[in-house]
Amino acid sequence: GAGVSQTPSNKVTEKGKYVELRCDPISGHTALYWYRQSLGQGPEFLIYFQGTGAADDSGLPNDRFFAVRPEGSVSTLKIQRTERGDSAVYLCASSSTGGFGEQYFGPGTRLTVT
Amino acid sequence: DQQVKQNSPSLSVQEGRISILNCDYTNSMFDYFLWYKKYPAEGPTFLISISSIKDKNEDGRFTVFLNKSAKHLSLHIVPSQPGDSAVYFCAASTNSGYALNFGKGTSLLVTP
Repeated sequence: GAGVSQTPSNKVTEKGKYVELRCDPISGHTALYWYRQSLGQGPEFLIYFQGTGAADDSGLPNDRFFAVRPEGSVSTLKIQRTERGDSAVYLCASSSTGGFGEQYFGPGTRLTVT
Repeated sequence: DQQVKQNSPSLSVQEGRISILNCDYTNSMFDYFLWYKKYPAEGPTFLISISSIKDKNEDGRFTVFLNKSAKHLSLHIVPSQPGDSAVYFCAASTNSGYALNFGKGTSLLVTP
């Protein structure tokens, strides 16, 4: 079956612009996660959705970052007033339930802020 | 602060030999541990996991060992194959079970 997909695969934007990153989870997975991976680091947790609601957004670095999952499937990560420090690979993952169990990751969106 | 640490950024092993990747953690609340494998330009792929009630879990060529008292886990790959060359991430979570805390990864190179 289809895995987690993310679009775009690459995004280059200018400092100060607004960007949206999209994630399509595995069909039927109720849990969805966003992570950010900076160069030389492991993925860093940003936010977790169970269904339509954000169950934990404690990893979002500041209020420029926001994510939605209005119908409990596709999710969009939104970044306002982008800064050069936001440059990273943004990874989305899904799992069949929250709680113990492996998370299935998409290929990521590489965001470059110039 | 980094709660999951992989202190070896890289490891080179000959084909057929054992690869041992190590991971240490500081948070005693972690009770579920996972290893992910990552190829360039792809997302991490789940490899194997272990819960804190066990000290060993085996899946084919891959075995994970957990030493709770030392807050240490290791991944053994036997025998190593060139296709195993990738970056390996150790991850851990608490009993809430969703946010994974990752180490920085170890780049494994298996040479023919």
